[in-house]
Amino acid sequence: EAQVTQNPRYLITVTGKKLTVTCSQNMNHEYMSWYRQDPGLGLRQIYYSMNVEVTDKGDVPEGYKVSRKEKRNFPLILESPSPNQTSLYFCASTVSRGPYEQYFGPGTRLTVT
Amino acid sequence: AQKVTQAQTEISVVEKEDVTLDCVYETRDTTYYLFWYKQPPSGELVFLIRRNSFDEQNEISGRYSWNFQKSTSSFNFTITASQVVDSAVYFCALSGGDSNYQLIWGAGTKLIIKP
Repeated sequence: EAQVTQNPRYLITVTGKKLTVTCSQNMNHEYMSWYRQDPGLGLRQIYYSMNVEVTDKGDVPEGYKVSRKEKRNFPLILESPSPNQTSLYFCASTVSRGPYEQYFGPGTRLTVT
Repeated sequence: AQKVTQAQTEISVVEKEDVTLDCVYETRDTTYYLFWYKQPPSGELVFLIRRNSFDEQNEISGRYSWNFQKSTSSFNFTITASQVVDSAVYFCALSGGDSNYQLIWGAGTKLIIKP
């Protein structure tokens, strides 16, 4: 089954404790991205990757890191989480950069206290 | 700059009523694409439709229909004979060719269908 998986689905952590949210897709997609969803703001892109070892900032990259060492995986790293990073996070993939349907993971609800 | 406005934060209707969700966009790109996604209470994001800027034909898929009007920069979504299962947050999004196809999202409209 074609899918994007994210783990964990729920995470409660404390300020400053490094965490990683994993994302994996099995569709051989080139383009992957991370979004955060906040009430009244829709989805905002954090980082994206056009292919292995090619990543770039989206609209709200501050406080986040990503890597793309393999085509299928695109982890999101919060080196020192802060309460303003409490949000719902989605990983997405699509065949390549362009106006294509994006496939989303189930979401990760992160709370930073 | 590109922008998508969904002015209706929340809409509540009784089952079987028709309901229209508004989407207004701003772009200077000559080629662009518009999308609608659905986010049911379970939280996942589900693709509904994509339209390109050169195709202004309305689209109908079962009880769902979309009205694209370049003259008013709108891409509205209508659900006919609404059902409780239509309850969700609906997002409109824009992707422009001159903007490297970055997807710009509206804030979403929460649709509540009461039985």
